[in-house]
Amino acid sequence: AQTVTQSQPEMSVQEAETVTLSCTYDTSENNYYLFWYKQPPSRQMILVIRQEAYKQQNATENRFSVNFQKAAKSFSLKISDSQLGDTAMYFCASMDAGGTSYGKLTFGQGTILTVHP
Amino acid sequence: SQTIHQWPATLVQPVGSPLSLECTVEGTSNPNLYWYRQAAGRGLQLLFYSVGIGQISSEVPQNLSASRPQDRQFILSSKKLLLSDSGFYLCAWGRYNQPQHFGDGTRLSIL
Repeated sequence: AQTVTQSQPEMSVQEAETVTLSCTYDTSENNYYLFWYKQPPSRQMILVIRQEAYKQQNATENRFSVNFQKAAKSFSLKISDSQLGDTAMYFCASMDAGGTSYGKLTFGQGTILTVHP
Repeated sequence: SQTIHQWPATLVQPVGSPLSLECTVEGTSNPNLYWYRQAAGRGLQLLFYSVGIGQISSEVPQNLSASRPQDRQFILSSKKLLLSDSGFYLCAWGRYNQPQHFGDGTRLSIL
């Protein structure tokens, strides 16, 4: 079974600065996918970024990038030039590849990020 | 483009009453469908998933049930609600090896 751990319940950052959210995971599969989702106060779940385990290159999406360390089973999210709209709960999630996983996601407990003006 | 609709947005129900939450997907066919529950300030717990009409898999034992009467319709039900059923319920659709896309959620309060 997969497990995903986010060890930082809460984080805060000043507007325009950089913050890194941590995530570790455990899976017995060789091929899998990792995701970061954002849940703002509206409680919508919004996909931020996706990483495929067989790709060594770290994924980036504008101000969001990841540091994927496969051997360490670590998948951190870096937010550059933080904006007030980045205030949200962030969830790390994993998905085993292949049909037998049925596309199921395993979520971490989340990190509440507050961006201060 | 694909969209997912979930309703109602908010629901207040007495203990012991029945429940029906509905989720529909547009713009795609044969999606995988998922129901999650999120307790306040916590992560998401997968309750049910479905890979086709009439095919339901339960992840945790509970007071709830799910059904998929049509390809793009997913329903979460209960015959008698418990206080512990309170929470935020999210429906999602996805495909193998693809990220899931979520509805706006239903906030369920049991009195």
